[in-house]
Amino acid sequence: EADIYQTPRYLVIGTGKKITLECSQTMGHDKMYWYQQDPGMELHLIHYSYGVNSTEKGDLSSESTVSRIRTEHFPLTLESARPSHTSQYLCASSLTSGNTIYFGEGSWLTVV
Amino acid sequence: EDQVTQSPEALRLQEGESSSLNCSYTVSGLRGLFWYRQDPGKGPEFLFTLYSAGEEKEKERLKATLTKKESFLHITAPKPEDSATYLCAVQGSYNTDKLIFGTGTRLQVFP
Repeated sequence: EADIYQTPRYLVIGTGKKITLECSQTMGHDKMYWYQQDPGMELHLIHYSYGVNSTEKGDLSSESTVSRIRTEHFPLTLESARPSHTSQYLCASSLTSGNTIYFGEGSWLTVV
Repeated sequence: EDQVTQSPEALRLQEGESSSLNCSYTVSGLRGLFWYRQDPGKGPEFLFTLYSAGEEKEKERLKATLTKKESFLHITAPKPEDSATYLCAVQGSYNTDKLIFGTGTRLQVFP
């Protein structure tokens, strides 16, 4: 079972607010990811990291930013939230490239 | 372009009624095909990884198989607790940084 934790699980915020979604894993995995998923739709990769101080953009363009200062921690930040950012954000990790990717429980963000 | 198509979109089964879910894929050099289970409001839970055509894996009532163009998830004698969305994803050998996901099959098992 994957030990990857996301907070908050559910959040409703107003337009223009800054929000950080937290993600931590205790498995010592090098690679971490953020996926975005709208209800009934596919998961889309928005950010990933090979390790500390590494961040890369995924396939789906996103106004969010990420940082990787510690191996176990990969937070995602939205500087100014908009209703179009309403979605589920899923954090994931894998030991290295090509290994199985394990997901957290997700953070549901609603911007009103 | 790498692509994953899952069918059917939704499946309703009576408890004990066996069936199969399909995942058709196109990818440049398959590195791995993954099956996940996703319950409403939660993140995907890893089930299986298949690496080459002919490979099969089993877990309880689930069995996953792989050919060069598609994968099947066979569900034998399902129970209501098997109700979930089942996601298929592929990883290409040229880009192991990401998974390409299908939209999933939403399975409902009625007692």
